[in-house]
Amino acid sequence: NAGVTQTPKFRVLKTGQSMTLLCAQDMNHEYMYWYRQDPGMGLRLIHYSVGEGTTAKGEVPDGYNVSRLKKQNFLLGLESAAPSQTSVYFCASGPSGRVYNEQFFGPGTRLTVL
Amino acid sequence: DQQVKQNSPSLSVQEGRISILNCDYTNSMFDYFLWYKKYPAEGPTFLISISSIKDKNEDGRFTVFLNKSAKHLSLHIVPSQPGDSAVYFCAASAGVEGAQKLVFGQGTRLTINP
Repeated sequence: NAGVTQTPKFRVLKTGQSMTLLCAQDMNHEYMYWYRQDPGMGLRLIHYSVGEGTTAKGEVPDGYNVSRLKKQNFLLGLESAAPSQTSVYFCASGPSGRVYNEQFFGPGTRLTVL
Repeated sequence: DQQVKQNSPSLSVQEGRISILNCDYTNSMFDYFLWYKKYPAEGPTFLISISSIKDKNEDGRFTVFLNKSAKHLSLHIVPSQPGDSAVYFCAASAGVEGAQKLVFGQGTRLTINP
């Protein structure tokens, strides 16, 4: 099992460019999440999904869109990148059907917007 | 408004001694708490968790203590080993239904000295 994988690992964008980050999980998890990590601020939830075809906003959703067309994939899109979106992005997944559960994280994508 | 705070950015401990990492929270609705460990260039990995109905949870060398009245939790690592050197994040969530929308602290960098 690969667990949670993220593509690409690194990317440099110019202001105004667009891109899509891909997250894939092979654990058959219902729930998937996108976080960003900035220095001194820990991880903050951008968007999440409770199942195929569903998405919901997290703590910092502005400037991002997401789609969950297949259960195993969760895409994060930046339509018009801004320098404030320079960050490390982590995808996570987790099972449903339990009262409490941990989330399993991917290795991250380091994005720089110039 | 930081709902989960780790006030120590870094901690240095001698190998074999106890490491104590602290975390404070402000939201009384939080009922589940987790600790994650993160190595450079990797995603966070789940370490240990505790629900609000307990005050202690132990897993091998790792013990998490929860003081609900003080809104404080701590992670004890005994004995500390060089491989424990990493950034540790505490996280909290509220509610038992649906996706776990985690709120993370800023992280504490733990260094174990030989």
